[in-house]
Amino acid sequence: DAGITQSPRHKVTETGTPVTLRCHQTENHRYMYWYRQDPGHGLRLIHYSYGVKDTDKGEVSDGYSVSRSKTEDFLLTLESATSSQTSVYFCAIKVGPSGYEQYFGPGTRLTVT
Amino acid sequence: EDKVVQSPLSLVVHEGDTVTLNCSYEVTNFRSLLWYKQEKKAPTFLFMLTSSGIEKKSGRLSSILDKKELFSILNITATQTGDSAVYLCVVNSGGYQKVTFGTGTKLQVIP
Repeated sequence: DAGITQSPRHKVTETGTPVTLRCHQTENHRYMYWYRQDPGHGLRLIHYSYGVKDTDKGEVSDGYSVSRSKTEDFLLTLESATSSQTSVYFCAIKVGPSGYEQYFGPGTRLTVT
Repeated sequence: EDKVVQSPLSLVVHEGDTVTLNCSYEVTNFRSLLWYKQEKKAPTFLFMLTSSGIEKKSGRLSSILDKKELFSILNITATQTGDSAVYLCVVNSGGYQKVTFGTGTKLQVIP
């Protein structure tokens, strides 16, 4: 168990409201990722972090921002939620000797009405 | 644009059957290919493959990579109902952040 948690696990919010999802890990892994998973699209990378205050965009970053002020926490913010951001969001960390294996958090189901 | 295609999209088999799941890819600067199993929760790691022709095996599951033909297969023998899940193929290319997921194969094993 790589000790990765996400909060909240479920959220319903209205269009136009800000939303922040939290990913917390307990093992000091350097790389952390946010994905969204939608039917027909698989998992798509939103943003990733390669250290404290070091973040970069993934393939579907529009409408999302991230912050990493501590090694253990990686926050994903939807500044003004839209219905197209209704999805399941997974946080992941890089583990394993090669550095390519990812361990995923339990996911957050977000519904924007 | 990097692409990972899995087939079939879904299949239904009976317990005890053997199944083969396929993953083909087109990426620049291939580094590794990984298989994950996703039940009704987060994906869990199965295998990582980096070299052609070397089979990875774990119990009834095995996988192999062909870097010349750009594909991998995941075999499951003597399937059980607990194997029912979506199986995801993921390719790492470029740096650590460059990952491309396939849309998955949904496997249903019926008693």
